[in-house]
Amino acid sequence: KAGVTQTPRYLIKTRGQQVTLSCSPISGHRSVSWYQQTPGQGLQFLFEYFSETQRNKGNFPGRFSGRQFSNSRSEMNVSTLELGDSALYLCASSSSGTSGRRVNEQFFGPGTRLTVL
Amino acid sequence: AQKITQTQPGMFVQEKEAVTLDCTYDTSDPSYGLFWYKQPSSGEMIFLIYQGSYDQQNATEGRYSLNFQKARKSANLVISASQLGDSAMYFCASQGSSNTGKLIFGQGTTLQVKP
Repeated sequence: KAGVTQTPRYLIKTRGQQVTLSCSPISGHRSVSWYQQTPGQGLQFLFEYFSETQRNKGNFPGRFSGRQFSNSRSEMNVSTLELGDSALYLCASSSSGTSGRRVNEQFFGPGTRLTVL
Repeated sequence: AQKITQTQPGMFVQEKEAVTLDCTYDTSDPSYGLFWYKQPSSGEMIFLIYQGSYDQQNATEGRYSLNFQKARKSANLVISASQLGDSAMYFCASQGSSNTGKLIFGQGTTLQVKP
């Protein structure tokens, strides 16, 4: 089974621009979560999508948005980029998120490294 | 709210020896999962092991085992017979069953395996 894929792997943008990152989950997985990783803040949850609906959201400004398509592929968009948005953006997929009391494992993609100049 | 604490910023271990990476957690969810991930310098997060809060036995996956002490709220990762390829950053994470898709991560522990 193919793993989680993310495109592009590297991006360089300038302040004020907007960017769209893409994530294709493992086949059959319907939940996609996005995370931001920076040296200062560590790994922080952005949002989670399941069946094209945002199910959970972290504490990020509205400039960060996402969506999920019917094939479970997901995109996240960052508008009006700031220097502090430079980070590794990771997406993860899981089969459903939870199943009864059991929490399902999340499998991560290789990440997109965004540099804002 | 959930919180993960990893108190060891960096660890060294001799090749072929065992090492324990510490993790304590705090959650109000009655049901939750605990995870360990490995992140090499390439950046990809590699899933290592999972422990459910209702699991009776400690989880094991090959050379990885999880020392789960629910009363102490700790979930330490034990790596046996360390290899040079184990050198990486290790993250402990938790997710509550009521908090779909949201992993809470600790700050990580950098492990260096010495030959």
